[in-house]
Order: sequence, then structure tokens, then C-alpha cells
Amino acid sequence: DSGVTQTPKHLITATGQRVTLRCSPRSGDLSVYWYQQSLDQGLQFLIQYYNGEERAKGNILERFSAQQFPDLHSELNLSSLELGDSALYFCASSAGRGYEKLFFGSGTQLSVL
Amino acid sequence: AQTVTQSQPEMSVQEAETVTLSCTYDTSESNYYLFWYKQPPSRQMILVIRQEAYKQQNATENRFSVNFQKAAKSFSLKISDSQLGDTAMYFCAFMKEDGGSQGNLIFGKGTKLSVKP
Repeated sequence: DSGVTQTPKHLITATGQRVTLRCSPRSGDLSVYWYQQSLDQGLQFLIQYYNGEERAKGNILERFSAQQFPDLHSELNLSSLELGDSALYFCASSAGRGYEKLFFGSGTQLSVL
Repeated sequence: AQTVTQSQPEMSVQEAETVTLSCTYDTSESNYYLFWYKQPPSRQMILVIRQEAYKQQNATENRFSVNFQKAAKSFSLKISDSQLGDTAMYFCAFMKEDGGSQGNLIFGKGTKLSVKP
């Protein structure tokens, strides 16, 4: 168990809908990262937050947004969903800047039908 | 842009034997980090080993070791005394060392390793 909690584990929704994925980092970790794993794109970095502030941005679509709350949990919001958004979404956390070990959650499997 | 290439989509090894997974990367950066992550059927991403580019000494973690060739931009993973629990997807990953790349791991496509009894 990595100590990173992601909910829900599975999510099935329809095209055009909006969903929210939730992540609780390991106790004491200030950084949260979101990754997407899909069959065609592989593993891609989406975004990073450090202590409530956005620190780095990757290949995150404009339809996607994220935030980190004062209690350090994070949410990834996906809107106007398309079939191609079906993927496994990982949250990871680390104590600092991310050059050391990232602890990954078990992921949320999103299926857009 | 940085790229990571894993040229072996699938590999298999007999239990207790040694196997080497290949990884090459392309970058113009001088300071960076390299990682091997393991993803078993449970889907959890688990860090296997980490290498800082400025260190010439190859990293080792128990049965896992790397052969880091900076000039050749090669970063292979050797698993000794393979165990059934090593069966998983293995991903090689690269991270630049700069403020805007914190936590931005660039992953290869992965190598599926099967350990046979």
C-alpha cells in the first residue's frame, strides 16, 4: 500500500458528461501529481500541485482541470467527456519537488461510453 | 523534447535466472533523473530503482541493478534471481531537473516481463 488513496476505483459515464476524480496524498506529502495511462498514449503527465499551487503542467487538455485543497487532497475534473478520455488516471504524491520517489495510488479506471 | 524508448515489448525469463530490460532515451539536458517503475497486474505503479545522471556509479536495489551509460543514453535494468512476483510491466522513465519539470516523468511504452516457473 503506497498510502495514496484514489476514489472511485472505477467510473463509467457517457460522452459529454463531467466527472471528478479524488486523490488523498500520503500523510505529510505536499506535492500531488496526476497522470493518465491509455492504450494509445501510454503514461502521460498531466499536472502537478505543490501545497495548493499549480507547479507544473503537462499534456492536460483544456477540458480537464485540477486543484489541491488546504487539506492537501486533490481533485481532477474532466468535462465534456469523449470516448478517447477512457483511461486509467493515476494520482501520485511526494514530499517535495518530485525528483525523488513518487508514490502512486491504484488509479481510477474511467470508461466513457 | 525528451523521448524514452523501450525496444522490447515482451520478455520472459525462467525463475531464478537473470534478465536485462533495455531502455534508451534522447535528451539535450545534462542534469536529469532516470527511473524504472514496475506495474504488476494490480495496476499499482511501484518505483524499482532511481539513478541521478550526475552519478557515475550504477544504482542497485537488492536484486535490481542498472547499467547507466550516459554517453550512449542507455539505462538498462538487470533483474537477478528472478521471482514469480517480478512478473509485471516495467516502465523506464526520464525526468529533467528544472523547476518546471517537477514530477514530470516521461515514460517509455513498457516491457511486459513474464517469469516462468
